[in-house]
Amino acid sequence: AQKITQTQPGMFVQEKEAVTLDCTYDTSDQSYGLFWYKQPSSGEMIFLIYQGSYDEQNATEGRYSLNFQKARKSANLVISASQLGDSAMYFCAMRDLNSSYKLIFGSGTRLLVRP
Amino acid sequence: DAGVTQSPTHLIKTRGQQVTLRCSPISGHKSVSWYQQVLGQGPQFIFQYYEKEERGRGNFPDRFSARQFPNYSSELNVNALLLGDSALYLCASSLGGRGTSTEAFFGQGTRLTVV
Repeated sequence: AQKITQTQPGMFVQEKEAVTLDCTYDTSDQSYGLFWYKQPSSGEMIFLIYQGSYDEQNATEGRYSLNFQKARKSANLVISASQLGDSAMYFCAMRDLNSSYKLIFGSGTRLLVRP
Repeated sequence: DAGVTQSPTHLIKTRGQQVTLRCSPISGHKSVSWYQQVLGQGPQFIFQYYEKEERGRGNFPDRFSARQFPNYSSELNVNALLLGDSALYLCASSLGGRGTSTEAFFGQGTRLTVV
């Protein structure tokens, strides 16, 4: 069975500094995708970044990068130059690309950016 | 272009009642998925529809049902409401199809409170 583990319930970071949010996953599938979503207090899940299991390079999207270590089954999100608007819940999720349509989510990390 | 729209945004129901939640996907998207997010947890997969057919079902009781219409909009129905059904219900749309890495785009959700 697939499982996502986020071990940091809450994190603080100073404005303009970088922060790493941890995510480990468990799957027996060979072809899978890893996603990070941001959920502000409004409730909407905002897609941030995607990494495929066969992608050799780590994904980057603006200030977001994904530190993908396949052997360790980890997919940590790095946010550079934190901004006050980055304060939100962050969810790591995965999907088996061959046989499943559903996203499996972790329990999330609440990030608070301090001015 | 409009994003994923859900209605209503908030809803209060009494135990035992029935509720219908609605979702309109992004134009051109043929896949709609429903997720339940209980306070303090990550979203849990309920249903996925693609081209008006059910493609996946999560571990939810038969009180939960859904359908997708020819215009790809979708409804989630929950019968015999329980207090434990209180949650944020999220709809996600995607292009769909297996083997794709396309991300899912979420609406702002419907916050259901059962009293």
